[in-house]
Amino acid sequence: EAQVTQNPRYLITVTGKKLTVTCSQNMNHEYMSWYRQDPGLGLRQIYYSMNVEVTDKGDVPEGYKVSRKEKRNFPLILESPSPNQTSLYFCASRLGGGAIQYFGAGTRLSVL
Amino acid sequence: DQQVKQNSPSLSVQEGRISILNCDYTNSMFDYFLWYKKYPAEGPTFLISISSIKDKNEDGRFTVFLNKSAKHLSLHIVPSQPGDSAVYFCAASAYGNQFYFGTGTSLTVIP
Repeated sequence: EAQVTQNPRYLITVTGKKLTVTCSQNMNHEYMSWYRQDPGLGLRQIYYSMNVEVTDKGDVPEGYKVSRKEKRNFPLILESPSPNQTSLYFCASRLGGGAIQYFGAGTRLSVL
Repeated sequence: DQQVKQNSPSLSVQEGRISILNCDYTNSMFDYFLWYKKYPAEGPTFLISISSIKDKNEDGRFTVFLNKSAKHLSLHIVPSQPGDSAVYFCAASAYGNQFYFGTGTSLTVIP
């Protein structure tokens, strides 16, 4: 089954404790992205990647890191999480520029 | 600054009637527009799209209209069904790298 898998689905952590949210897709898509969804703000793009070792900042990249060492994986790293990063995070992938995005089920993160 | 806006946070419609969801954008460079549907505890799923060279695209009960001069996009669902109850996001892109989403409209279809 074609899918984008995010882990964990729920995470509670404390300020400053490094964490990684994993994202994996099995559709051989070139493009992958991370979004955060906040009330009243919709989905905002954090980072995106056009292919292995090619990443670029989205609208809200501050406080986040990403890497794309393999085509299927695109982890989101929070080196020193802060409470303002409490949010619902989505990973997405797509075949090429302008193509339809497929989203993971989301990761709800709470930073205390 | 929000480049894609959905000014109606919620909409209620009777089953069988038409649902019209609206979306406005500010960036004239946007050339590709999409609608996504989201159920609770799930990721958004693609519904329908339109490129800037068209003004209408239809897929079954769903039709998207694009008015470039007004920078306005709308999604029509006819007839509306209870299973259409979800949050709908419009999204726009210029050159297919970055995507900008609206804040979403929660549609409730009343049986």
